[in-house]
Amino acid sequence: KQEVTQIPAALSVPEGENLVLNCSFTDSAIYNLQWFRQDPGKGLTSLLLIQSSQREQTSGRLNASLDKSSGRSTLYIAASQPGDSATYLCAVRRWGGGNKLTFGTGTQLKVEL
Amino acid sequence: EAQVTQNPRYLITVTGKKLTVTCSQNMNHEYMSWYRQDPGLGLRQIYYSMNVEVTDKGDVPEGYKVSRKEKRNFPLILESPSPNQTSLYFCASSLGTGGSTEAFFGQGTRLTVV
Repeated sequence: KQEVTQIPAALSVPEGENLVLNCSFTDSAIYNLQWFRQDPGKGLTSLLLIQSSQREQTSGRLNASLDKSSGRSTLYIAASQPGDSATYLCAVRRWGGGNKLTFGTGTQLKVEL
Repeated sequence: EAQVTQNPRYLITVTGKKLTVTCSQNMNHEYMSWYRQDPGLGLRQIYYSMNVEVTDKGDVPEGYKVSRKEKRNFPLILESPSPNQTSLYFCASSLGTGGSTEAFFGQGTRLTVV
């Protein structure tokens, strides 16, 4: 059974800091890994998708890496801003079983002025 | 604009009163699914559909029904809601399966059953 863990559960940083969010998964038989952002009371916004054959993806100040063999992914946020405050979720899509996404429980990020 | 639309966004109902949460996508996606999100448990899949008239159970299907009569719509039906179904529900869609498949989510439906 695939299990996804995100550490830390919560993080508070001053504006301008570079930060790393971690995601680990137990089963490396995945199609891809997707990072999402969730604002309070809102839906999930897709940030980055990394296919299992890729090592990293970048979008603006965000960079996500994937090490499938060790079951790890990191989301790097450069020069954090208060608007980055949200919960960040990672999810892996595994082979078979109906294309299900298995989610971590998220990292709640607060960027302070 | 490409989107997944859920309705209603908020719903308070009483135990046992049947309800339907609608989900519609305008991206011609084959795959649709429903998740519920609970504190400390994360998002868990309820049901999914690989295509029209093809549905299957996810991890937590008890107490829910779905149908897929049209490609764009995937309603979630609670025939007899109970308080333990109080949760935040999300509908998602994707083009298919495979490594490049990106999932798109609706804005969520917050359901309270009293």
